[in-house]
Parts: sequence; C-alpha cells; structure tokens
Amino acid sequence: DTAVSQTPKYLVTQMGNDKSIKCEQNLGHDTMYWYKQDSKKFLKIMFSYNNKELIINETVPNRFSPKSPDKAHLNLHINSLELGDSAVYFCASSQRLAGANEQFFGPGTRLTVL
Amino acid sequence: GDSVTQMEGPVTLSEEAFLTINCTYTATGYPSLFWYVQYPGEGLQLLLKATKADDKGSNKGFEATYRKETTSFHLEKGSVQVSDSAVYFCALSDSGTASKLTFGTGTRLQVTL
Repeated sequence: DTAVSQTPKYLVTQMGNDKSIKCEQNLGHDTMYWYKQDSKKFLKIMFSYNNKELIINETVPNRFSPKSPDKAHLNLHINSLELGDSAVYFCASSQRLAGANEQFFGPGTRLTVL
Repeated sequence: GDSVTQMEGPVTLSEEAFLTINCTYTATGYPSLFWYVQYPGEGLQLLLKATKADDKGSNKGFEATYRKETTSFHLEKGSVQVSDSAVYFCALSDSGTASKLTFGTGTRLQVTL
C-alpha cells in the first residue's frame, strides 16, 4: 500500500491556467506538508497543516492555496500559473507536528508551465 | 534563521570506496538532524537521524554523528555500492512546535563499477 500518494505525477499546462495537485496519506498522521523542489534540486517548505489547521505558510504567493478537507488529504491549488512555478512538488506527512518525527514523502508531481 | 550547508556535488566514487558528505548547520535551538536520500524519479526517504548531541544515526551501512561543538552531521559509509547512487539531503528540524524540515542543497552521488 502506498503511504503518501500524489496525483497527477506529471502536469503540463499553459501560463495563466489554474491547476490542482492532490495528496493523500494512509498512515494516520496528524501533519501534512507541501515542499517545492526547483530545477537545482533545492527543497523548500511551502505549507504545513496539523489536524486540518494551517501551521506554516512560508511566504508563498497568494496564487497557491492549500486545502485540507480532512486529516488524510492536503490538496494544492495554483491559480494563474507562471513559468517560475515549474518544479517538482512533494507532499509529505508526519505523525505529529513537533520534534524529530520522520516525514514520509510522496513520489512528487512534476509541474511544467509552458 | 535555520540553515544547512552541504558540500557541492556531484561526488563520483568507485564501488567499495569510502564516502563522506559534509554537512554543517546553523540553528537557534536544539535541532534534530536528518539525512534523506532521493533515488532517481522518486520521493525522499529517511536514511538516518539523530536527535541530540553525540547521537549517532545509522542505517544500511551509512552513519552520521551529531556534533554540537562543530555544528556538523557528516554522512559516511565505508564501502559504497552502485545502488547507493542517489541525491543525499542533510536537513534539520527546529526545536519549536513547527517541525518543518530545512534542507541543504543536496549532494549527488554517482558510484561506478
């Protein structure tokens, strides 16, 4: 069974479009995250949610809106896509919010904006 | 703010060579330290971790020791295999309530026969 799954795996779209990426975890974890990995492999936190509540928003543009309908899901909606949004987006989850909890990552969604 | 500095890659080694990937960190509190590995086309997997000074994390022949005095968490393996070829990320989680991971830039390891 896949622990953290994301759909779609690949997403190619035009500038200005709106798109969503879905994430689900079946680990029973309380906390979920979105990370962005740029073309140089640099990974940066975007958002974290704990029990459906937004905890971290790392100065991400308002065009990015996460939504957590329940503890097992954290979706990412992006409005008015720009060329600079092209990246690999990783969803992750951890058992709890604090400390040394291991984060489990999904396989990533490669977004290409043309 | 928190930051992690890793040695630049790529690192190219022959099979059975000794591996060291350097990692140093800056943090205001007492962070937990991690090494994650990313195989081609996949997400990240936790390789090992250490939660306090002088702890040694180890897994699959890899090990790293949390050195508070030098703010370092260098990754080592005595004998690498071709299957170890991947990108390795050093990361820290601050001691506050928000357990986001702050990553280094990643180091690509290529092991050849």
